[in-house]
Amino acid sequence: QQQVKQSPQSLIVQKGGISIINCAYENTAFDYFPWYQQFPGKGPALLIAIRPDVSEKKEGRFTISFNKSAKQFSLHIMDSQPGDSATYFCAASIHSSASKIIFGSGTRLSIRP
Amino acid sequence: KAGVTQTPRYLIKTRGQQVTLSCSPISGHRSVSWYQQTPGQGLQFLFEYFSETQRNKGNFPGRFSGRQFSNSRSEMNVSTLELGDSALYLCASAPESSYNEQFFGPGTRLTVL
Repeated sequence: QQQVKQSPQSLIVQKGGISIINCAYENTAFDYFPWYQQFPGKGPALLIAIRPDVSEKKEGRFTISFNKSAKQFSLHIMDSQPGDSATYFCAASIHSSASKIIFGSGTRLSIRP
Repeated sequence: KAGVTQTPRYLIKTRGQQVTLSCSPISGHRSVSWYQQTPGQGLQFLFEYFSETQRNKGNFPGRFSGRQFSNSRSEMNVSTLELGDSALYLCASAPESSYNEQFFGPGTRLTVL
C-alpha cells in the first residue's frame, strides 16, 4: 500500500513533442506528490509538486495532472528539449511523515534532436 | 546558498567492513534524510534526523544507523558490509517551513567488493 507505481520505464520523444509520465498510488493518506528530475552523477532535484486539493499545476513547460478519485497523477513536459533528457521520479509522502518520501521506480526520458 | 554536500563521493570497501558517510545540509536546514538508490530497488528512504533526533525510519536492518550533530551535519554508518549494500547513498535536507521539499546532495557511490 506504500508503493507508487510509475510508467513507462523509458520514453523516447522527439524534440518539441510532449513527454508524459504516469504514476499511481494506493495509500489515500498521501497528501503531497512531487516530481524529481535526476541527471547522471547528480542527486534528484525537485521539479514540481502538487497537493490533492488541486487537479492541475503548471510551472513553465511542466504540468502535473492529478486525479484523486483514480489515485493517479502524471507529469507532462511540453515542447520537450534535449536538455530535458534525464530520469524522472514521481513520489508521494504524508504530511505527518513529510521527509519519508516514497518514490516511483523512475522513467528514463530521452529527447531526440 | 551552498547546496547539500556529501563526502566522500566514491568509496570502495570489502565485505564485513564498516563505513561512515558524511552529509552537510544547506545552511539553516535542520532536517536531514538519507536514501539508498540502487538499480533494482530504486530510491528507498533510510531515516531522517531533526535536531539530533531520529524522527523517521525506513525498513532497513539495524546495520544501517545514523546520527546528527548540533550543527545539523549528519553521518550515516553501515556496519558489516554486504555486497548488496553497493549503492548510491543520497542525503537530503529540508527547511523547517516545508519538510516535503527535499534538497538532495550528489550522493556517495559505495561499492562493496
